[in-house]
Amino acid sequence: DGGITQSPKYLFRKEGQNVTLSCEQNLNHDAMYWYRQDPGQGLRLIYYSQIVNDFQKGDIAEGYSVSREKKESFPLTVTSAQKNPTAFYLCAGGTQDSNQPQHFGDGTRLSIL
Amino acid sequence: GQNIDQPTEMTATEGAIVQINCTYQTSGFNGLFWYQQHAGEAPTFLSYNVLDGLEEKGRFSSFLSRSKGYSYLLLKELQMKDSASYLCAVRSSGGSYIPTFGRGTSLIVHP
Repeated sequence: DGGITQSPKYLFRKEGQNVTLSCEQNLNHDAMYWYRQDPGQGLRLIYYSQIVNDFQKGDIAEGYSVSREKKESFPLTVTSAQKNPTAFYLCAGGTQDSNQPQHFGDGTRLSIL
Repeated sequence: GQNIDQPTEMTATEGAIVQINCTYQTSGFNGLFWYQQHAGEAPTFLSYNVLDGLEEKGRFSSFLSRSKGYSYLLLKELQMKDSASYLCAVRSSGGSYIPTFGRGTSLIVHP
């Protein structure tokens, strides 16, 4: 089935560690996005990429990094500089057509040990 | 920038009708999306409005008034499985076409 696949579903990080969240898609979407969701908050944009080998900061990029070496893959690294990383992370894919919705993965819940 | 406002929480009875409102302020409007999100799951697309009026899809309808910066999602014949968070997202014109999400409305349906 086509879709956005995120792994792992649950992830634990020790203080001072970097962790990488995986996002893969087989929908042939040019654009991919990473969002963070906290309780009582909407989705906040961390990074996005509209084409391979190019990405842009979103509203809350500090403490995160991404890469887009392949169209199908857009991994997110949560670095030790991110002081409050506990959240639900959602990856999405989409097209440049303004009337088309984004397609979301099932999310990764990151917690601090 | 954009400002999107939704009620935090609503409750309704099974079989009833509920209307979830979304107001927005944006420098250039280019479409509004509604998504449903069950706890711990991915948001799923419900509806899209770019012109004024009502879009109907089965039990769900969405309305848009661009002059008022206002949309609502109407859910009819509520079922227990409709208990979820409903997210309003607005796209602005120009630039990246990336929508901005509201904080979501948590709907609780009780028997």
